[in-house]
Amino acid sequence: KAGVTQTPRYLIKTRGQQVTLSCSPISGHRSVSWYQQTPGQGLQFLFEYFSETQRNKGNFPGRFSGRQFSNSRSEMNVSTLELGDSALYLCASSTQGARGEKLFFGSGTQLSVL
Amino acid sequence: AQSVTQLGSHVSVSEGALVLLRCNYSSSVPPYLFWYVQYPNQGLQLLLKYTSAATLVKGINGFEAEFKKSETSFHLTKPSAHMSDAAEYFCAVSDLGGGNQGGKLIFGQGTELSVKP
Repeated sequence: KAGVTQTPRYLIKTRGQQVTLSCSPISGHRSVSWYQQTPGQGLQFLFEYFSETQRNKGNFPGRFSGRQFSNSRSEMNVSTLELGDSALYLCASSTQGARGEKLFFGSGTQLSVL
Repeated sequence: AQSVTQLGSHVSVSEGALVLLRCNYSSSVPPYLFWYVQYPNQGLQLLLKYTSAATLVKGINGFEAEFKKSETSFHLTKPSAHMSDAAEYFCAVSDLGGGNQGGKLIFGQGTELSVKP
């Protein structure tokens, strides 16, 4: 069974631009979560989608948004990029997204904002 | 609010020595606790999880962790370190997220493990 796939692996953008990251969950998984990882703030939860609905959201500005498609694939979008948005963005999937459920992580998208 | 604290951002051990990575949690309800490992340029891989079935949890690659409610701890151990264990380790607690809120993990700041030959 294929794992969680994130594309692209690396991205370089400039301030003010917008970016879209993609995540394909493990087949059969309906929950997709997104996390931001930085050296200073560590791993922080962005949001979670289940059956095309956002169920949970972290404490990030509205510039960060996401969506999920009927095949459970998910995208996240960051508009008006800032230098501080440089981070590794990790996507994780699970069957139901229930509390205590194991999350399977992708290798991430490394975003650099210049 | 739930939280996780990992004591020591960096731990160094010799190959063959005991590995002990410390994690303390704060939770108003019985927690679900996890240890994840991250190798360079990779995502996170689950080592083990505690979901109240047994206080001593065995995971992959010879790691285990003991849940101690009285100490609010969930320390990760391995009897004998191997060079391949060098990585960053994260302790996490599952957020309360009641109702139809999706599962969310709250992570500690991570502990980088170095293994000397």
